[in-house]
Amino acid sequence: KAGVTQTPRYLIKTRGQQVTLSCSPISGHRSVSWYQQTPGQGLQFLFEYFSETQRNKGNFPGRFSGRQFSNSRSEMNVSTLELGDSALYLCASSSRGPGVPEQYFGPGTRLTVT
Amino acid sequence: DAKTTQPTSMDCAEGRAANLPCNHSTISGNEYVYWYRQIHSQGPQYIIHGLKNNETNEMASLIITEDRKSSTLILPHATLRDTAVYYCIVRVADYGGSQGNLIFGKGTKLSVKP
Repeated sequence: KAGVTQTPRYLIKTRGQQVTLSCSPISGHRSVSWYQQTPGQGLQFLFEYFSETQRNKGNFPGRFSGRQFSNSRSEMNVSTLELGDSALYLCASSSRGPGVPEQYFGPGTRLTVT
Repeated sequence: DAKTTQPTSMDCAEGRAANLPCNHSTISGNEYVYWYRQIHSQGPQYIIHGLKNNETNEMASLIITEDRKSSTLILPHATLRDTAVYYCIVRVADYGGSQGNLIFGKGTKLSVKP
């Protein structure tokens, strides 16, 4: 089974621009979460989607948004980019079912804001 | 969610067992212990989880103390490819039917040396 895929893998943007990152979960997985990883703050939860609905949201400004499509694919958008948004953005998917679900992470998108 | 405490770093000789400790003294009865690892510049990888019984899979073993206040992840025969940051996470099983978010601490940087 193919793993979680994220596109693009690397991205360079300028301050003030916006960016859209894409995540395709493992086939059959319906839940997608996004995380931001920086050297200073570590791994931080952004938001989670299940059945096209945002279920949980981390402590990030409204410039960070996301959505999930009917095929479970997800996108996240960052508007008005700031230098501090430079980070590795990770997507994770999970199957919903009985018991305790584990999350499977993609390789991430490395965003550099100049 | 309960907090966890892990050593900042550990070394292990290749071929030997790596024992990574985690303290979670405030863990609640319905909280599971999860272990993930992150190899440099890759997404985190799920390793194993448990509630109170010891668990084993093809990657590792998880030993949870009887009072559940601490646990140990054991990699039985560490290889150079096991060099990574290992995260111990404690969380409830299921947030209202969705997977909920993972709260990553700083983890333990394990260096496997030849």
